[in-house]
Amino acid sequence: DQQVKQNSPSLSVQEGRISILNCDYTNSMFDYFLWYKKYPAEGPTFLISISSIKDKNEDGRFTVFLNKSAKHLSLHIVPSQPGDSAVYFCAASEFLPGNTGKLIFGQGTTLQVKP
Amino acid sequence: NAGVMQNPRHLVRRRGQEARLRCSPMKGHSHVYWYRQLPEEGLKFMVYLQKENIIDESGMPKERFSAEFPKEGPSILRIQQVVRGDSAAYFCASSPGWQRQGAQETQYFGPGTRLLVL
Repeated sequence: DQQVKQNSPSLSVQEGRISILNCDYTNSMFDYFLWYKKYPAEGPTFLISISSIKDKNEDGRFTVFLNKSAKHLSLHIVPSQPGDSAVYFCAASEFLPGNTGKLIFGQGTTLQVKP
Repeated sequence: NAGVMQNPRHLVRRRGQEARLRCSPMKGHSHVYWYRQLPEEGLKFMVYLQKENIIDESGMPKERFSAEFPKEGPSILRIQQVVRGDSAAYFCASSPGWQRQGAQETQYFGPGTRLLVL
């Protein structure tokens, strides 16, 4: 039962162009979403998050969009740089009484930015 | 200003041995989470701890796995009688703990421990 899905295992873009990574979820009770970047042999690095009360959050070159009705979020990276090449994980958590904030992760999308 | 620390970074064990993985959270953080990543998969939640308390162990296998976060010292994930299927990357994350139940807090991850069972 995969509650968070990243259907594209990989994405390749040219340096300077936009990278769009997508994530779908099935649990309508999720209310907090995060994107992490991961290099090989390292731990995930937090990039950006969004609460369900918002539909957009921006931080520098990174913007996350949330479409609650479609249960879909996306991460836009503009402009893409070769150093952005990594695996990107989408994660979600739900805020309910008794919930502990555990994150549910997607399978990841490998982004390659070509010079 | 250290982030989340994990050691060892790499651990090799033979089947039947014990594995002990350590995690020191970021300074000021009181919540610790353990996740496991199998090859070609995303991270899977295992356990959530606060000091001296296990809050949620719903993702932990019922046998051979245990976790603790003592009043003093790092959090420990212990795997007894390891099997080849335990080979994975084990990540620890921490969060501040200001939110009452830890939700809606960003979790910061350590570099992971890569366990290989021969």
